Amino acid sequence: DAKTTQPTSMDCAEGRAANLPCNHSTISGNEYVYWYRQIHSQGPQYIIHGLKNNETNEMASLIITEDRKSSTLILPHATLRDTAVYYCIVRVRTSGSARQLTFGSGTQLTVLP
Amino acid sequence: DAGITQSPRYKITETGRQVTLMCHQTWSHSYMFWYRQDLGHGLRLIYYSAAADITDKGEVPDGYVVSRSKTENFPLTLESATRSQTSVYFCASFSGTPDTQYFGPGTRLTVL
Repeated sequence: DAKTTQPTSMDCAEGRAANLPCNHSTISGNEYVYWYRQIHSQGPQYIIHGLKNNETNEMASLIITEDRKSSTLILPHATLRDTAVYYCIVRVRTSGSARQLTFGSGTQLTVLP
Repeated sequence: DAGITQSPRYKITETGRQVTLMCHQTWSHSYMFWYRQDLGHGLRLIYYSAAADITDKGEVPDGYVVSRSKTENFPLTLESATRSQTSVYFCASFSGTPDTQYFGPGTRLTVL
């Protein structure tokens, strides 16, 4: 699985968009970008994933650069409840044989009132 | 309620005792996982299971035993607990649609 690099921490004002970057310069053509988050003392929570097209769901948007070497998770209107550690994970999509998730250090996002 | 649950949520035990952490999911997902989370190490895979009666080791399996007689349950047993097994343990199950893992709330285990 490709290695990812994320900033250690970020702050965001409540109500503003939170943009969390992730570098994955060694990503392979068949590797997807996944984002999970972990709110303090809770289990990790899936947010979104994508291959090369931008993706959006009810939680967030994922923007992947054309060369796929980096991506940005966007929380459009951050709330205090979005304060969490956000993990960017790059791996081959499972196809009949699930694989473990390898979590790095992630980015601690703090949403400020 | 649908979802994935873990019990107990908190456990204190002594060195040398046997401890079993329970994990139950209601989705009938085939794959289930056990992770531990420690400061400075992030989440690390202990064991996983592809189906009932099929289990395999992860990154840090030593000192742990798993079983899976039913699809919905995946207990993790520490046969003789050690202080180094003090950690937060997360169980997860895998869904193919979307391609993601769903995590339980965790069990905080302290070994004295």
